[in-house]
Amino acid sequence: SYELTQPPSVSVSPGQTASITCSGDKLGDKFVSWYQQKPGQSPVLVISQDTKRPSEIPERFSGSNSGNTGTLTIAGTQAMDEADYYCQAWDSSTAVFGGGTKLTVL
Amino acid sequence: QVQLQESGPGLVKPSETLSLTCTVSGGSVSNGSYYWSWIRQPPGKGLEWIGYIYYRGRTHYNPSLKSRVTISVDTSKNQFSLNLSSVTAADTAVYYCARVPIVVILDYYFDNWGQGTLVTVSS
Repeated sequence: SYELTQPPSVSVSPGQTASITCSGDKLGDKFVSWYQQKPGQSPVLVISQDTKRPSEIPERFSGSNSGNTGTLTIAGTQAMDEADYYCQAWDSSTAVFGGGTKLTVL
Repeated sequence: QVQLQESGPGLVKPSETLSLTCTVSGGSVSNGSYYWSWIRQPPGKGLEWIGYIYYRGRTHYNPSLKSRVTISVDTSKNQFSLNLSSVTAADTAVYYCARVPIVVILDYYFDNWGQGTLVTVSS
């Protein structure tokens, strides 16, 4: 079965840029979506179709996808961005999620 | 703004069937532009897609759960439901319902989620 691999944790200083990667075989041939989940809350879509940001999501969130790696980038990271982030793609008509990355802002 | 709300028992005995319902408000499950999906998250772990349904009844399930899963829709009540049979402790999780825009074939994402409901499998 298809697997998406994310680093378990990423740390960033406030105001700096955070990058969270998602790796999978030929992932660049698929579309990647990203979700933010804060403790005790439901996931929230932050990026769909590699690069599309819902209107309610701040402009500092962006995405890219090429080769075997998709990337979620948060520019000017704020304390409120501290959360778990999950990537998601489709393979063989099945939705697959990455294992999640805990973003710490310190 | 569409809202989704899960409901159902929080405790299920091993070998029995887990049954949950998702009630949609502010939108219609009969809207042909969306699928309606179930996703689960074991405590402290990641997300697992269970399956989705179209308002006309067409379904698609995760192969790993397909033999035990049934998703159905009731357009008159604006609800869709999940049944998971022969449950074990491994099925203990927060269960979410979510909306899936049909934009690009096989590029589906989950744009609205319910708050989730914890289901514990225990005797």
